Amino acid sequence: RKEVEQDPGPFNVPEGATVAFNCTYSNSASQSFFWYRQDCRKEPKLLMSVYSSGNEDGRFTAQLNRASQYISLLIRDSKLSDSATYLCVVNRPGSTLGRLYFGRGTQLTVWP
Amino acid sequence: DTGVSQDPRHKITKRGQNVTFRCDPISEHNRLYWYRQTLGQGPEFLTYFQNEAQLEKSRLLSDRFSAERPKGSFSTLEIQRTEQGDSAMYLCASERGATGELFFGEGSRLTVL
Repeated sequence: RKEVEQDPGPFNVPEGATVAFNCTYSNSASQSFFWYRQDCRKEPKLLMSVYSSGNEDGRFTAQLNRASQYISLLIRDSKLSDSATYLCVVNRPGSTLGRLYFGRGTQLTVWP
Repeated sequence: DTGVSQDPRHKITKRGQNVTFRCDPISEHNRLYWYRQTLGQGPEFLTYFQNEAQLEKSRLLSDRFSAERPKGSFSTLEIQRTEQGDSAMYLCASERGATGELFFGEGSRLTVL
C-alpha cells in the first residue's frame, strides 16, 4: 500500500464552483501534513499546512481526520487560476521532517 | 533571483553515459533534498542533506546514484551508467529549519535514449 493515496482526477469544474479533494495516508504515526500545488511543467509549491483543528486560508480549507487517516482540501469559489495539480504530502514518522511522502496529485481544471 | 536553481534544465544522453546535476539552494537554508518525478506521479524522495551531511538515502537510490554537498552549500547528483528508466525530472528543494516548507527548483529533466 502506498504511503499517500489520492484520487488523480481530473476534476473539471466551472468558475465559482466548490471542489473538494481527499487523501488518505497509511502510517498512523505521521504527524505533519501539507497540501502542495504544482502547475503544469512547474515545480511544486507549498499551498498550506494542515493542522489538527483544521485551518482556512482565504478560499482554501484543509481538514485532518486522524482516526480515519484522511486529509481533505476544499476550494470555494474556484478561479481559473486554481487550475493545477494538488499534491497531498505527509511526513515519514521517525524520520527527519523533510522526508515527505507526496501523493500522485489530483488534477483540477477550472473552466470559464 | 534568490530561489533554488538547478543546472542543467534539460539533459539528453545515451544509455550508459554518466550525468551530473547541480543544485544551488537558497543561501540560508541548511537542508537540501533531491526528489525524482515522472509523468503523472508525485515527487519521490531520493536523498537529504543537513548542511554537508547526507542523512537519509532512499532505497530508490541505487549504487549508480551518488549525491554530495561539499561545504554545505551547493549539491550535485550524479547518475552513472544511465538507463532508460532513469528518465525523469530531478527536483532539488531546500528548507530552512524543519518547517516542512520545501522550496523547489525548476528541476533538471533527464532523457536517456
